Formats: sequence, C-alpha cells, structure tokens
Amino acid sequence: ELKVEQNPLFLSMQEGKNYTIYCNYSTTSDRLYWYRQDPGKSLESLFVLLSNGAVKQEGRLMASLDTKARLSTLHITAAVHDLSATYFCAVDDSGGGADGLTFGKGTHLIIQP
Amino acid sequence: ETGVTQSPTHLIKTRGQQVTLRCSSQSGHNTVSWYQQALGQGPQFIFQYYREEENGRGNFPPRFSGLQFPNYSSELNVNALELDDSALYLCASSLRYLRETQYFGPGTRLLVL
Repeated sequence: ELKVEQNPLFLSMQEGKNYTIYCNYSTTSDRLYWYRQDPGKSLESLFVLLSNGAVKQEGRLMASLDTKARLSTLHITAAVHDLSATYFCAVDDSGGGADGLTFGKGTHLIIQP
Repeated sequence: ETGVTQSPTHLIKTRGQQVTLRCSSQSGHNTVSWYQQALGQGPQFIFQYYREEENGRGNFPPRFSGLQFPNYSSELNVNALELDDSALYLCASSLRYLRETQYFGPGTRLLVL
C-alpha cells in the first residue's frame, strides 16, 4: 500500500522567513503533485513533478523531486501572509492500476505578520 | 475554457438515505476521479471513470458507485448513508495518458445526521 507522509503537519512562521515542507512516499513513482487548499475551498494545482531531479518554481514557492530518495520538497522563500493555506503533496502510483492520487495529510501553514 | 463544476454545493441527509452528487469535467477532459475529504484530512481516492467505465477504485465499499456519461460528466452515488460519510466530496478531471495534474472542482459538502 502506497503511503505518503508530510512533515510538518502544522507550521506557524513569520513573514519574511524561509521554510521547507517535506513529502516522503513509499513507492517508486515519478509523478508527484503539489496542491494548495484554502479553508472551505477546493484544491488548487501548484506543481507537477514528473521526473527525478525536476524543479519547478512559481513566485515564492519552489518544488523539487528526488525519486531515488522518494522525497519531494516545497520551499517557501520570504513568506507572505497570502501563502497561508494547507499544502498537500500527492503521488500517482499508476503501477497499481487505480490511477488515483494518494495524498499526504497536508501541512497547515500559518504565516504571521 | 470551462472548469470543473459540481452540484449541489451542500447537502444534508439522514442515515440510511441515498445521495447522488454530480460533476461536469473541464472542457476536453475525458477522465473523472472522485475523492472523499474528511475534515482535517487529505483527500482519499474513491474511484475513477474513463470511457464510461470504472477504471480504478480505492478502498471504498460497493455502496459507493458511479457513472460517467458520453459527455464525460459523472455522478457519484452513495447508498445506505452512514455518519462517517459526512465529508467534502471532490471531483477531479484530467486527460488520460497525458502526464499532467488533475483539476479539482469546488466540491460538495455532505452532512449525514
């Protein structure tokens, strides 16, 4: 059974600081996705990482994938309040035939002024 | 381009009842996946439909069933509702065999009393 673990699950940080969210998974998948969810809202796609060593950046967020370590990171640079949300990583383990995404529990991020 | 839409937005049912949730996929997408998100948790894969057939299924009992129509829209049916079925139900559309993300709808929030 595919397992996806995120840490930390809760993170409170100050504006202007840098931090990294980690996503470990238990399969050899090379498809990993990052989503953002605001309270009471749906999921917004942030990044799609499809190969070992993939790095994507959008504004203050940067995601990377190391398939050998089965690890993805989401790095936040100079955080601003608008980035407060819950961040999920999800793995596509199509080898299992289900074609559904397996999500981590999410990282609830609060950025304080 | 029209995004993923879901109806209804909110629903209240009692134990033992049946419910049908609806989803229209994003224009051009032929695959629909359904997820259940309990409060404070990551989404869990229920099943996926492609070409009007169930293509993969997560760890959900048979009382969770679905349909996909020729226009790629989809329904999720849940029979014999239980209190634990209370959750946000998310529909996601994608284009099969294209290595990109799944796009999520706004969700239907179901409360079972």
